[in-house]
Amino acid sequence: DAGVTQSPTHLIKTRGQQVTLRCSPISGHKSVSWYQQVLGQGPQFIFQYYEKEERGRGNFPDRFSARQFPNYSSELNVNALLLGDSALYLCASSFGSPGNTIYFGEGSWLTVV
Amino acid sequence: AQKITQTQPGMFVQEKEAVTLDCTYDTSDQSYGLFWYKQPSSGEMIFLIYQGSYDEQNATEGRYSLNFQKARKSANLVISASQLGDSAMYFCAMREAEYALNFGKGTSLLVTP
Repeated sequence: DAGVTQSPTHLIKTRGQQVTLRCSPISGHKSVSWYQQVLGQGPQFIFQYYEKEERGRGNFPDRFSARQFPNYSSELNVNALLLGDSALYLCASSFGSPGNTIYFGEGSWLTVV
Repeated sequence: AQKITQTQPGMFVQEKEAVTLDCTYDTSDQSYGLFWYKQPSSGEMIFLIYQGSYDEQNATEGRYSLNFQKARKSANLVISASQLGDSAMYFCAMREAEYALNFGKGTSLLVTP
């Protein structure tokens, strides 16, 4: 079975641009979460969606938004990119909410120049 | 306040030896979950083991075991018979609310021949 898949794996954007990151959860998983991991730190929670509804939001500005589609895949959008948005963006999926086994994808490496 | 504390920035262990990675947590909730993840340089966050706060027995998954001491609020990861492929960053995380994982800063483990 396929794990959590994310795209793109690497991308470079310019300050002020917008980016969309995509995530497909493990088949059967209904919960998707997004995390930001800057170099040298642990991941920080951004959003969680369960059954297409936002269940939680971390301490991130409104430039960050997300949604979950009927097939449970998800997109994370970041507007007006700043240099500080350069990070690894990780998507996680679990069957329920809360989940006891939470699986992550390989992440999307975003560099803002 | 720091929710998850990993006091060992870096650890060395010889191949085939056992190693313990420390994790302490801070919560006033009665119900919570503790997770350990491995992150190789590729970036993927690999789920290793889960311990629920009400689980009476320590969790084990193959060569990984979790030494859960609830009164001390510690959840140390024990890796037995270390292998070269175990070299990676290891993160301890706690789920309090339904959705968000709080991660520690991680421990870098290097397994030497």
